[in-house]
Amino acid sequence: GQNIDQPTEMTATEGAIVQINCTYQTSGFNGLFWYQQHAGEAPTFLSYNVLDGLEEKGRFSSFLSRSKGYSYLLLKELQMKDSASYLCAVPMDSNYQLIWGAGTKLIIKP
Amino acid sequence: DAGVTQSPTHLIKTRGQQVTLRCSPKSGHDTVSWYQQALGQGPQFIFQYYEEEERQRGNFPDRFSGHQFPNYSSELNVNALLLGDSALYLCASSSLARAGDTQYFGPGTRLTVL
Repeated sequence: GQNIDQPTEMTATEGAIVQINCTYQTSGFNGLFWYQQHAGEAPTFLSYNVLDGLEEKGRFSSFLSRSKGYSYLLLKELQMKDSASYLCAVPMDSNYQLIWGAGTKLIIKP
Repeated sequence: DAGVTQSPTHLIKTRGQQVTLRCSPKSGHDTVSWYQQALGQGPQFIFQYYEEEERQRGNFPDRFSGHQFPNYSSELNVNALLLGDSALYLCASSSLARAGDTQYFGPGTRLTVL
């Protein structure tokens, strides 16, 4: 079956770096998405990884290891506005629907 | 360029009633997916529409139905509402119904069933 695991909640300090992990089990693989969701709002697209390695996009980077079924989102120079939930999602093997993790709530403290 | 739009923003219904939610996809997109998101949970896939047909369906009962119009906009209908249907309903659009295609979300409709 399909399963995605993320930590429920993380706390970090403004200006610091935080890594949010995601592990997945899928029968096939068509890439992995990271989305950011502020409370009461819709998810917004952050990144899509389909090949192994690190992809950097400004303060946010995303890493994928297909052999380990593992990804992480790295947030640098944390700002208070980064307080949000971060969700990873993978498409089902031959289908079009996304399977989502429950999200990691990131709390930024001054 | 208009993004994904949804209406209404908020809705309050009572058990047993029926509701229709609406979604207009991002310009240039032809695929619409609907999700239900309970508080503190990730979105759960309801179904996806492409070329006016339901292409894929998640584990939701037949009370949940939908439609896609020739202009690619879509509706989600829920009949015989239950208290457990209270959630944020998200519409996402993409340019092609491929497994790796990025989906862009609308602001959602917050449905409360009393």
